[in-house]
Amino acid sequence: EIVMTQSPATLSVSPGERATLSCRASQSVSSNLAWYQQKPGQAPRLLIYGASTRATGIPARFSGSGSGTEFTLTISSLQSEDFAVYYCQQYNNWPPETFGQGTKLEIK
Amino acid sequence: EVQLVQSGAEVKKPGESLKISCKGSGYSFTSYWIGWVRQMPGKGLEWMGIIYPGDSDTRYSPSFQGQVTISADKSISTAYLQWSSLKASDTAMYYCARLITPGVYDYWGQGTLVTVSS
Repeated sequence: EIVMTQSPATLSVSPGERATLSCRASQSVSSNLAWYQQKPGQAPRLLIYGASTRATGIPARFSGSGSGTEFTLTISSLQSEDFAVYYCQQYNNWPPETFGQGTKLEIK
Repeated sequence: EVQLVQSGAEVKKPGESLKISCKGSGYSFTSYWIGWVRQMPGKGLEWMGIIYPGDSDTRYSPSFQGQVTISADKSISTAYLQWSSLKASDTAMYYCARLITPGVYDYWGQGTLVTVSS
C-alpha cells in the first residue's frame, strides 16, 4: 500500500499570506494526486486532481504542483474561508487509493 | 444539479445489522463509480470501496473486505453500505462520493453518522 505523508500537521498562517502544504508518497504515484478541503461538519471538497488541475469552481488562488513522490498545494492569498483541513490522496494503480493524514490550516 | 443524498444518522448496538444509503440525482447514476469513505471521530479519511452501479462491479479496500458489503440498486439510483454485525469501532461518519475519473471524487454526500454503543 502506498503511504501518503503530509506536512506539517498544523500550519498557522495569517489571512492574506501564502500557505504551502506538502504531501509525500512512499513510492511514485506519477501525477495521480488529488487535494481535498474539509471544513468542520462538512464533507470533503475536491480542489485539485492530476496534481495540478483545479476542479470546477475552485478559485485560482489554489494551485497544485509536483509529480512522482513530492507534491505541494499552494494557497496564494489566504481568505477566511480557506482555514480548514486539507488532505492529499493518491490514486495511482487505482484501486486502492490512499489519503494522507491531513494538514490543519489555522489562523495565525 | 448533481446531488448525493445520504440516509440519516443511526444509533445501533453492537451485533446489530445496518444498511445506509446514498441516492444520486442530476446525472446518469449508472455511468459513474460511487465510493464509500470512512471518517472516524477526529480522524482522517479512509477509502472503503467502490461500486459501478451500471453492472455492480465492486472493489473493496483490504482493510474493509469481509467487514462491509457495498451494493447498488440502479432502478432507484441508490448505493448502499451495510454491516451484518456492528462493532463499537464502526462508530464513524460515512461518506459516499462520485468518481469523475478513477480515484477522483467530485461530488460527495453529506455523510451518515453511525454510532454503535451498548
